[in-house]
Amino acid sequence: KAGVTQTPRYLIKTRGQQVTLSCSPISGHRSVSWYQQTPGQGLQFLFEYFSETQRNKGNFPGRFSGRQFSNSRSEMNVSTLELGDSALYLCASSSLKDRIIYEQYFGPGTRLTVT
Amino acid sequence: AQTVTQSQPEMSVQEAETVTLSCTYDTSESNYYLFWYKQPPSRQMILVIRQEAYKQQNATENRFSVNFQKAAKSFSLKISDSQLGDTAMYFCAFMKTGLASGTYKYIFGTGTRLKVLA
Repeated sequence: KAGVTQTPRYLIKTRGQQVTLSCSPISGHRSVSWYQQTPGQGLQFLFEYFSETQRNKGNFPGRFSGRQFSNSRSEMNVSTLELGDSALYLCASSSLKDRIIYEQYFGPGTRLTVT
Repeated sequence: AQTVTQSQPEMSVQEAETVTLSCTYDTSESNYYLFWYKQPPSRQMILVIRQEAYKQQNATENRFSVNFQKAAKSFSLKISDSQLGDTAMYFCAFMKTGLASGTYKYIFGTGTRLKVLA
């Protein structure tokens, strides 16, 4: 099986712009989670999508949003970018047992730099 | 609220030696899962080992094993016969289970950077 893929791998944006990141999960995985990774904060959970619905959400402002398509692919959008949004954004897909995820399989990440 | 603490930001170990990475967590839950993930310099995070809280037996995966102390809320990772390829950032993670609605919390520690020396 192909692993989790994320596009683009690198992105440079300026403050105030918006950005969309894409994630394709492992075939058959219906849950997709997004994380922000920074040196100071580690991995911070953004949100999780399951069956095209946001099921869980972390403590991030409304500028961070996402969606999931019927094929389980997911996009994450950040509007009005700030310098502090510079980070590695990781996507993880999971299979489910009784609606609960267990192991997460991570993509390579998208390195976003905001200037 | 659940927290996961990795008190060792950086560690190093000689090749072929054994190293133990510490992780403590705080929760009032009785059913949960604990994980160790590895993130090599290439950045793709991979699962190393998983432990179910209801199991008393410590999980083992080849050279990787855990010391799970539920009462002490401790979950350390032991790497035996360290190899250069073990150089990576290691994250401890906690997941709360048993939630009928499907909501969950997946919380990561801040990581331990391990360097294996030749």
